[in-house]
Amino acid sequence: GEDVEQSLFLSVREGDSSVINCTYTDSSSTYLYWYKQEPGAGLQLLTYIFSNMDMKQDQRLTVLLNKKDKHLSLRIADTQTGDSAIYFCAEESMDSSYKLIFGSGTRLLVRP
Amino acid sequence: DAGVTQSPTHLIKTRGQQVTLRCSPKSGHDTVSWYQQALGQGPQFIFQYYEEEERQRGNFPDRFSGHQFPNYSSELNVNALLLGDSALYLCASSSGTGRPLREQYFGPGTRLTVT
Repeated sequence: GEDVEQSLFLSVREGDSSVINCTYTDSSSTYLYWYKQEPGAGLQLLTYIFSNMDMKQDQRLTVLLNKKDKHLSLRIADTQTGDSAIYFCAEESMDSSYKLIFGSGTRLLVRP
Repeated sequence: DAGVTQSPTHLIKTRGQQVTLRCSPKSGHDTVSWYQQALGQGPQFIFQYYEEEERQRGNFPDRFSGHQFPNYSSELNVNALLLGDSALYLCASSSGTGRPLREQYFGPGTRLTVT
C-alpha cells in the first residue's frame, strides 16, 4: 500500500544545516513534495522533485532523491529560527494524479 | 490576489450533529480538494471536486460529502459527527488542467472540535 514515513523531531542550532528524511513506498510516484506548516497555518509548498531527478536545489533548500532506496531528504542550509515548523513529505498517489499521500511530519526546532 | 480562503476558522460541534465547512479557491483555480488533518498527523485526502463533480475520493465514509458551486467555491459536509472527526480541515485549490498538484495552494484550514 501507500505509506510515507518521517522521523518525528529534529533539533538544530541556528546557522547549522538541517536534514529531514522521508521514505516512501510507491515506486511509481512521479513527483515528491515537501511542505511546511507553521503553527495555526495551512500548508506551504516548499519544493518538489520529479522522480527521474537525483537532486534539486532552490536557494537554501536542497532535495535529494534516492529512488532505489525510496528515500527523500530535504536539506535546509543556514537554518534560521523562522524555519521552525513541521515539515511534511508527500507523494502523488499511485492510483491518481489528483491526491497527495502525506507523511506524519517532522517537527523542526531551531535553537538560537 | 486573495489566496485560498476557508470559513469558519474554528468550530465546536456536539457528537451527532452536522457541520458545513466552506472554501473559496485561489483566483483562476477551478479545482478544490479537501483534506483532514488529525492532531499530530499528516493531512489525509477526503475528495476532490472539478466541474462541480466529485472527481476522486479518499477512504472516508459517506458521512463526508461535498459540493462545488459554479463559481468554483466548495463546501464540505459531515453528518452524524463523531469525536474522531475532530481535526483541522484543509482546502486546497488548483487548476484542473495539466499537472495540478505542482500548483496546488492550501488554505489556513478550519479547526473542528467535536465534543
